[in-house]
Amino acid sequence: AQSVAQPEDQVNVAEGNPLTVKCTYSVSGNPYLFWYVQYPNRGLQFLLKYITGDNLVKGSYGFEAEFNKSQTSFHLKKPSALVSDSALYFCAVRPPNSGNTPLVFGKGTRLSVIA
Amino acid sequence: DAGVIQSPRHEVTEMGQEVTLRCKPISGHNSLFWYRQTMMRGLELLIYFNNNVPIDDSGMPEDRFSAKMPNASFSTLKIQPSEPRDSAVYFCASTLQGSLGGYTFGSGTRLTVV
Repeated sequence: AQSVAQPEDQVNVAEGNPLTVKCTYSVSGNPYLFWYVQYPNRGLQFLLKYITGDNLVKGSYGFEAEFNKSQTSFHLKKPSALVSDSALYFCAVRPPNSGNTPLVFGKGTRLSVIA
Repeated sequence: DAGVIQSPRHEVTEMGQEVTLRCKPISGHNSLFWYRQTMMRGLELLIYFNNNVPIDDSGMPEDRFSAKMPNASFSTLKIQPSEPRDSAVYFCASTLQGSLGGYTFGSGTRLTVV
């Protein structure tokens, strides 16, 4: 069965510094990978996805993520963090060619950007 | 499109009462998912529907929970009787089956059972 691990419950970073939120996955074959963000009292919002092609994926709000097959990772990155990036971030995975098998979400990582 | 619409946004009820949560998916989406979010367990899939048909309800915690999707534009999640441990935020999400897009989530219903 597929699974996702987000090893950090909390990430703190100073405004203007680069940020990384980590995600590793376990799935047979080449997975479909997603990042979502949740702001307080809101639903999850789609940030970006990797399906195939270039390992570096660019998404909303200046975020990007790099698919690394050998390390089974899909870390979320941003070159310069903003205070407004403070939120809960979820990584999700789905096996390829799985029809509409639901996404499996990680437990989430709370990002706090300090001014 | 107004997105996925959930109601109510907040619900406070007494233990033992019936609770009904509602969801209107995005028009044209034919897959609908109910998730529950708690601090302890994170985001859990409860049940999902394709073309109004329940596909997998193995995540439904107990027989007290039931979900229906009578048509393509409406779904309900019912808890009867409710218990304090059901307190959580319940999210509905929709997508187009077979697409490679992500899900669109509603704003959630925060349920408190006292």
